Amino acid sequence: QITLKESGPTLVKPTQTLTLTCSFSGFSLSTSGAGVGWIRQPPGKALEWFALLYWDDDKRYSPSLKNRLTVTKDTSKNQVVLTMTNMDPVDTATYYCAHFDDYGISEAAWFDPWGQGILVTVSS
Amino acid sequence: EIVLTQSPATLSLSPGERATLSCRASQSVSNYLAWYQQKPGQAPRLLIYDASNRATGVPARFSGSGSGTDFTLTISSLEPEDFAVYYCQQRSNWPRTFGQGTKVEI
Repeated sequence: QITLKESGPTLVKPTQTLTLTCSFSGFSLSTSGAGVGWIRQPPGKALEWFALLYWDDDKRYSPSLKNRLTVTKDTSKNQVVLTMTNMDPVDTATYYCAHFDDYGISEAAWFDPWGQGILVTVSS
Repeated sequence: EIVLTQSPATLSLSPGERATLSCRASQSVSNYLAWYQQKPGQAPRLLIYDASNRATGVPARFSGSGSGTDFTLTISSLEPEDFAVYYCQQRSNWPRTFGQGTKVEI
């Protein structure tokens, strides 16, 4: 069974850097095809994909956020760490991490399952 | 960037009725489209992948169809637990994109 859980601060000040950790079990990021995606959702609004990390350390970022993002993995700890710089109130959202596997069955190539999400509020 | 436009924004129906949700892509995504269900306070759940395949454990009343730019999610007979927000997502191109969602309400 695959599970993921996001952790980190729930309140950050404008201009600060946000660091979130996605801790997971049931798969390994040393396995070919495995990956973790990051998706966020402002309160009452739609989902927005913004980052993705593959098992081979390939990374993809949303063009609109690319200059502010870094994702890294700690394979031994089964964790993925997201950093987002220069936080602004418009970045207030629930942040989710989700599993995918490009080399498994077709179903696995999609974001499934997701973590429970963490609501991050940006306010002074 | 591929824009996914979902319609309608809100669908007001009763239990037992049929729901038809639409997702239109700004350019072809082939069959690289999925549907997710999100209930209040919960993370999204994968329902349909590759346009027409039900994810593991998804009831048969959910079905997906379409290819290219026009896709449909159909719920044949609404159960009380189906009232939620539904999002489509494409993985044909970067960046990955989601639609703005359709809320199915009573």
